[in-house]
Formats: sequence, structure tokens, C-alpha cells
Amino acid sequence: QLQLQESGPGLVKPSETLSLTCTVSGGSISSSSYYWGWIRQPPGKGLEWIGSIYYSGSTYYNPSLKSRVTISVDTSKNQFSLKLSSVTAADTAVYYCARLNIAARPHFDYWGQGTLVTVSS
Amino acid sequence: QSALTQPRSVSGSPGQSVTISCTGTSSDVGGYNYVSWYQQHPGKAPKLMIYDVSKRPSGVPDRFSGSKSGNTASLTISGLQAEDEADYYCCSYAGSYTFVFGGGTKLTVL
Repeated sequence: QLQLQESGPGLVKPSETLSLTCTVSGGSISSSSYYWGWIRQPPGKGLEWIGSIYYSGSTYYNPSLKSRVTISVDTSKNQFSLKLSSVTAADTAVYYCARLNIAARPHFDYWGQGTLVTVSS
Repeated sequence: QSALTQPRSVSGSPGQSVTISCTGTSSDVGGYNYVSWYQQHPGKAPKLMIYDVSKRPSGVPDRFSGSKSGNTASLTISGLQAEDEADYYCCSYAGSYTFVFGGGTKLTVL
């Protein structure tokens, strides 16, 4: 059974860089049928797609966050990571990693449990 | 890239049917048959309920169905059960490997 687990600091100071890692177990991150993505959810609000990455390193970002986001992949560790720079309180959210299934039409079929990141001094 | 429009809340009694709409544009919902729906219980991760507009993953009850007309997709839940009470989000492909979610709909089972 595929599992995804987010990890990283739960508290980040304003203007600093948020860094999270998603570890994939029960399957290979190098499969040609999947991308890997990050989605966030501010407290009490809806979901927002942040970006996605293929095992080859190809990346796609939400235009509204593109200038601050970097997503990378480490196939040797079966992990992918998110960096969001110059954070503000508006970046406080639960951050989810998810598998983007492209074998059929694209959809997010497996999700991590999510990790709350608070931006505060 | 604006969020898709969903009603903030819907409600229904056990056994009834409810439909949740998801309205976008010709650049997302209307342009592709790549709409998916997610169920989220409080404090939990979203769960895929519908993909490809109307397909159900293994294990999702056939009480859940999806459709699309023009720029609006819909999720219908028939034979409402107490455990269906949750937040529901639609998601659409928006071209160039980008995605947009709806604002979410809170379903209350009366």
C-alpha cells in the first residue's frame, strides 16, 4: 500500500524559507505513470495546488506562487521536497504531499496525512 | 488562475440525494474532462472520490456519481448516510500541467 509522509519544521519565521520533504513508501517515485505534488490548506479554508514534479525533475508550479516555489526530487531516497521562500503569515497552512496519477486523466489518488506549518516570529 | 466556484454548504436528510456544483471556465472545467472530487473529514487528508469527471476509484460506493456540462461539473450523492457529512472539493486540470481546486462545500446530513 502506497504511503506518503510529510516532514519538516512546524514553525517558520516571516521572510524565511519553508522546507518540507515527502517520503514515499510502498512504491517507486520513479514510475512513469505518476507525478508528485504539493497542495496546501490554510486553516478553515480550501485547498490550493502548489506544484508538481516528475521523477526526471520536470516541474510545474501554480502561477501565483511560482516566483517563491522550488520543488525537487531525490529518487535515491524516494523523496521529493518543497521550498517556499519569503514566507508570510498567509503561508500558514497544512501542507499535503500527494501522488498525481497520469496513467489515465490526471488526478491526486494518494495523499499524505498533512503537516501544519505556522509562520510566526 | 481563479478557484473554481462551489456552494459553501449543502444539506440533506438520510436517504435523500444532494448535488454539489463546481463552476469554472473554458480554460479549466469546460476545456478538459479532467475533473476530480475529494472528500475531507475534519482533521483528515482529502480522499479521492471521483476522477475523469465520472469514474469511481475502487472502494468508493456507487452512491457517489459525477457529471459535467459545459463549464460546470457536479457531484451527486444519493442515499445520503451520516458518514457522508464532510467537506467536498472539486479539482480541474487547467492546462500546462497546472491544477485548480474549488473553494469547498460543507455537506451536512440533517
